[in-house]
Amino acid sequence: SAVISQKPSRDICQRGTSLTIQCQVDSQVTMMFWYRQQPGQSLTLIATANQGSEATYESGFVIDKFPISRPNLTFSTLTVSNMSPEDSSIYLCSTGDSQMNTEAFFGQGTRLTVV
Amino acid sequence: AQSVTQLDSHVSVSEGTPVLLRCNYSSSYSPSLFWYVQHPNKGLQLLLKYTSAATLVKGINGFEAEFKKSETSFHLTKPSAHMSDAAEYFCVVRKRGYSTLTFGKGTMLLVSP
Repeated sequence: SAVISQKPSRDICQRGTSLTIQCQVDSQVTMMFWYRQQPGQSLTLIATANQGSEATYESGFVIDKFPISRPNLTFSTLTVSNMSPEDSSIYLCSTGDSQMNTEAFFGQGTRLTVV
Repeated sequence: AQSVTQLDSHVSVSEGTPVLLRCNYSSSYSPSLFWYVQHPNKGLQLLLKYTSAATLVKGINGFEAEFKKSETSFHLTKPSAHMSDAAEYFCVVRKRGYSTLTFGKGTMLLVSP
């Protein structure tokens, strides 16, 4: 199993500012994922982050708005840029390894409120 | 493409009665299927997973689920609900050999005394 430490756990931000969310995994993982959970909704995949390459974004998400870094196999960051109230959500990072066919592990989530 | 349908947005039960949370999936290939639970202000915790072994899968806290290919279902059950089971439950599908997960919309389980 993998233990993921995600921070901050919550934040209240002013519109127009940016917030960087960090995820630290206790073991090396090939792939990390970033999800958004809007109020009352399910999880939606934002992007997949592989070490050493640019993140792959899902439809409706762009790098300028959600830049991602993956400097090594245990760490990743997601930045929510130029925030608006519509960005108020829970953001979660996750790991998974398709080769091992294991389950995904999730961070505790970051509850973001934009005012 | 794959999709997951959780048939109930809310399920209410009394403590000590059985729990049934329904999930149907659509997948072009043999899928891996998971149930996750999310307690208020907490992260997602894996309850159980199906990855092509036994079709009846036992998970934590007394939950189990049965993979029925003919019905494309993966319903979650528990014989006797406990107050601590009150949470949101997500059915999740993953195409075998891939890492991307597809989440259902979630079912909120309410347990009354």
